[in-house]
Amino acid sequence: GQQVMQIPQYQHVQEGEDFTTYCNSSTTLSNIQWYKQRPGGHPVFLIQLVKSGEVKKQKRLTFQFGEAKKNSSLHITATQTTDVGTYFCADYSGNTPLVFGKGTRLSVIA
Amino acid sequence: EAGVTQSPTHLIKTRGQQATLRCSPISGHTSVYWYQQALGLGLQFLLWYDEGEERNRGNFPPRFSGRQFPNYSSELNVNALELEDSALYLCASSLGQGLSSPLHFGNGTRLTVT
Repeated sequence: GQQVMQIPQYQHVQEGEDFTTYCNSSTTLSNIQWYKQRPGGHPVFLIQLVKSGEVKKQKRLTFQFGEAKKNSSLHITATQTTDVGTYFCADYSGNTPLVFGKGTRLSVIA
Repeated sequence: EAGVTQSPTHLIKTRGQQATLRCSPISGHTSVYWYQQALGLGLQFLLWYDEGEERNRGNFPPRFSGRQFPNYSSELNVNALELEDSALYLCASSLGQGLSSPLHFGNGTRLTVT
């Protein structure tokens, strides 16, 4: 079945540093959705990327979809303590609902 | 608008028992999804219901089952509980306008099997 691989699994950064998480697939992705789960919370939808090469920004967050639609990335500029959490990418295939990557857990040291 | 609500928040069962978890979607959402989030394994897709019918199920044994009611609420039943069923069970809903619709998750039910 479809698999979405995320790296790194964990990332510890100093507050103010940048952070990037990558999402890769061996097959062409349909649409990429990104979610954030705060510690003790539930996943919250951040954004969806549909087009090859698409780039979207939300304040300090930049989302990219690869030209071949086999990878995506989320970049956070100048991390803050409020960015702490696990970031998941997800894609659906055919009639199968969203398949989630295992996530990247971000820790921000103040 | 009220979000997705799940009950109970926590559930403790012993091995071999049965568990029932409940979910109410956002008003107007017709699709309900169940995911299992076990430690270190991310979110694993369990079941998808839309308009009262099961549309797809993930790679889980038949003792995981559920249903969707006419008001679009849903319940997940887990029979013959095993220790490895201990996990956070998340329910999500969407507008049902295709699988590209973003998911709105509830706070989950933490199931502990002893």
